[in-house]
Order: sequence, then structure tokens, then C-alpha cells
Amino acid sequence: SAVISQKPSRDICQRGTSLTIQCQVDSQVTMMFWYRQQPGQSLTLIATANQGSEATYESGFVIDKFPISRPNLTFSTLTVSNMSPEDSSIYLCSVVVGPGQGVEQYFGPGTRLTVT
Amino acid sequence: AQSVTQLGSHVSVSEGALVLLRCNYSSSVPPYLFWYVQYPNQGLQLLLKYTSAATLVKGINGFEAEFKKSETSFHLTKPSAHMSDAAEYFCAVSSDTGRRALTFGSGTRLQVQP
Repeated sequence: SAVISQKPSRDICQRGTSLTIQCQVDSQVTMMFWYRQQPGQSLTLIATANQGSEATYESGFVIDKFPISRPNLTFSTLTVSNMSPEDSSIYLCSVVVGPGQGVEQYFGPGTRLTVT
Repeated sequence: AQSVTQLGSHVSVSEGALVLLRCNYSSSVPPYLFWYVQYPNQGLQLLLKYTSAATLVKGINGFEAEFKKSETSFHLTKPSAHMSDAAEYFCAVSSDTGRRALTFGSGTRLQVQP
């Protein structure tokens, strides 16, 4: 398995501002993802964070709104830009761990964001 | 394309009763299937996974799930519910063919009545 930490654990932000969420893993991992969980909803994939290259975004998510960095195999950041109340969600990073590509995906504790 | 359907957004059982949470999947390639549990104000914890080995998969906390290809199902069961099982349960699918990201079902909230 992997130990994943996220900072901050929660935040309350004003609309129009930006928040950067950090994800740190205790071991090198090939695959890292960012998900969003809107209130009372399931999880939706935002993007795959690629080490050393631009993230791969899912339909409905764009780089200008959710810029992602992944400078190495243990760390990534997700920025929520120009926030609106609709961005209030839990943001989770996850990693795939295992030999080769692996199959098990582990999640960080999440960052609970409230936009006022 | 892959998708997951969880039947029943809320399930309520009595303590000691059988727990059955339903999950049906759609996948154009052999799937990997997962059940995750989310306790209030916590992250997701992996309960169990199916990765094309045994069709009956045992997980943590006494849960198990059976992969039925003919029914495209992966229902989660537990013989006897505990109060501590009250949580949100998510079924998810991925595959071995490159894309490892998970597609989640809508979730089922399990309530356990004393």
C-alpha cells in the first residue's frame, strides 16, 4: 500500500481566489490521479497527473481551471483557480501501487473545500 | 467505455442481518472491479478487488463479493451487519488495458438499525 497525505485538509475560500492542494506519497508511484467529490455525490476523475509532462484532463475539466503539477514521482499539486461556490467539493488524490502497472488504487484523505 | 450502476442509493438493515449492496458494470474489456468504503468525513478505503483470479473475493471487515460475468455484476455482501458498517459504499471499475483510473458508481449509503 501507500501512505498519502494531502494539504490542506480543509479550507474555506472566497470566490475568485485560487487554492493549491498538495499530495505527497511515501513511495515512488507511476500513476497519480485527482478526483472531485461534490457534496452528496460520487467521485469524478479530474485528470491524470503525469510526471514531467502536462496532465491529461477528463472531459469537462480544463487546465486553466485546474492546473496540475507533478515534478517527481512522489508529489503533485492541484490548483483550483478563480473559484466559485460550485467548486465546493472534496478533492482527492490517488495512486496506483504495485509491481509493474499494478491494479490497486489508494486514496489520500481528501481536501474539503468550501467556497463562499 | 466503462460504467458502473449501483442499485439503491440508500440501504437500511438491522444489526445482524445480511448486507447486500448491488453493483452492475459495463466494460468493453475484461474489468477490474473494486469496492470502496467511505466513513463520514473520511477518505476512501479499499474493501476488496477482483482482478480476474477467483470470482469470489473476500475483503476486509467480513465483506465479500462475487464476480458474475454472465450477469455483469459484482454485488457486495456481508452475512451479519454491525453498527460500525454504516457508511457510504462505492463500486468502481478499471481495466488492464492502459487506463488505470477508476470509474465510480453513484454510491450506496448503508444504514444499520439497532
